[in-house]
Amino acid sequence: ETGVTQTPRHLVMGMTNKKSLKCEQHLGHNAMYWYKQSAKKPLELMFVYSLEERVENNSVPSRFSPECPNSSHLFLHLHTLQPEDSALYLCASSQDYLAGDLYNEQFFGPGTRLTVL
Amino acid sequence: AQKVTQAQTEISVVEKEDVTLDCVYETRDTTYYLFWYKQPPSGELVFLIRRNSFDEQNEISGRYSWNFQKSTSSFNFTITASQVVDSAVYFCALSSGSARQLTFGSGTQLTVLP
Repeated sequence: ETGVTQTPRHLVMGMTNKKSLKCEQHLGHNAMYWYKQSAKKPLELMFVYSLEERVENNSVPSRFSPECPNSSHLFLHLHTLQPEDSALYLCASSQDYLAGDLYNEQFFGPGTRLTVL
Repeated sequence: AQKVTQAQTEISVVEKEDVTLDCVYETRDTTYYLFWYKQPPSGELVFLIRRNSFDEQNEISGRYSWNFQKSTSSFNFTITASQVVDSAVYFCALSSGSARQLTFGSGTQLTVLP
């Protein structure tokens, strides 16, 4: 595997289910990100992890719970979601995420298409 | 606060035509970076280019070229002799110190017809 991979690619869940999205990067990067992409809206940054520590949490509801067990893996645990949470969830990684370091381009996975019924 | 505006929601062209995708940004920072990403139907965003705020030189890479103009806060992207494989959603993005994150525009859906 190369680059950034995400599983599953598609997920349908009910509002009472609990599920997890998985992201893995094979690039040796130190920073990982979760984004939400809804129809007709810009990408929304949800969480940033740098060296396995959460450094950004953009006012995301608690029904989304991220986990970063090591620098290569990132999870997004989902519980009691709402239909409006249906979207494409994208994972990305970059070499570093340092205060004021704006330079590094991000490498994206193919996303998980989530549908909440 | 920073903002990126891509006013063109959808563009359709016929193969071999040239097409320009517009991007206008807002930031109060003097140091910032601008990016373009391509999102094909498969979903993943593919990095195309990065430009810093101190480098206004235009750049050409094959059929792609970028025009950065600080005076109009624009970073436009031109595809010359478009091909069907260029069909995708293209995102412009901005990264500046005060925001500490990458801010994306809403994207432009480009369809190149054979």
